[in-house]
Amino acid sequence: DQQVKQNSPSLSVQEGRISILNCDYTNSMFDYFLWYKKYPAEGPTFLISISSIKDKNEDGRFTVFLNKSAKHLSLHIVPSQPGDSAVYFCAASSNSGGSNYKLTFGKGTLLTVNP
Amino acid sequence: KAGVTQTPRYLIKTRGQQVTLSCSPISGHRSVSWYQQTPGQGLQFLFEYFSETQRNKGNFPGRFSGRQFSNSRSEMNVSTLELGDSALYLCASSVRSGTGASPLHFGNGTRLTVT
Repeated sequence: DQQVKQNSPSLSVQEGRISILNCDYTNSMFDYFLWYKKYPAEGPTFLISISSIKDKNEDGRFTVFLNKSAKHLSLHIVPSQPGDSAVYFCAASSNSGGSNYKLTFGKGTLLTVNP
Repeated sequence: KAGVTQTPRYLIKTRGQQVTLSCSPISGHRSVSWYQQTPGQGLQFLFEYFSETQRNKGNFPGRFSGRQFSNSRSEMNVSTLELGDSALYLCASSVRSGTGASPLHFGNGTRLTVT
């Protein structure tokens, strides 16, 4: 039962263009969403997050959009740079019902930005 | 500020053996979580410790255990190793427990190979 899904295993874009990474979730109890970036041989690095009370959060070139009714979120990277090439993980957490903190991750999308 | 440190980086063990992995969190972080990453399953939550207490546990067999010390350092132990335990084991720390607003900071992981 995969509660967080990243349906595109890979994405390739040209430098300077927009990268859009998508994520769907099934658990309506999720109330916080995060994106992590992972380079080979390194641990995931936190990028940006969004609370379920918002529909957009922006940090520099990175913007996350949340559509709760569709249970969908996306990460936009504008403009894309070759250094952005990495695996991007979508993650979600739920603090409702007294449950303690854990992240449920998608399986990741490999982004390749071509010079 | 030093990041999350995991030792060793690589480990090769034989089926049936047991292994202990170590994690030193970022200074001031009291929550330590462990995740297993495999190609097929992605990142899966193992357990979380906060102030030396296990706060949450994932769906792993009892062969997987952990503990946290008073200085917040954590160890994870896997007994009676199986081939399927081969994975990247990631440790993450955060300032607080129980909130998505306190993002996890990951170490670079321990790559365990079971032969």
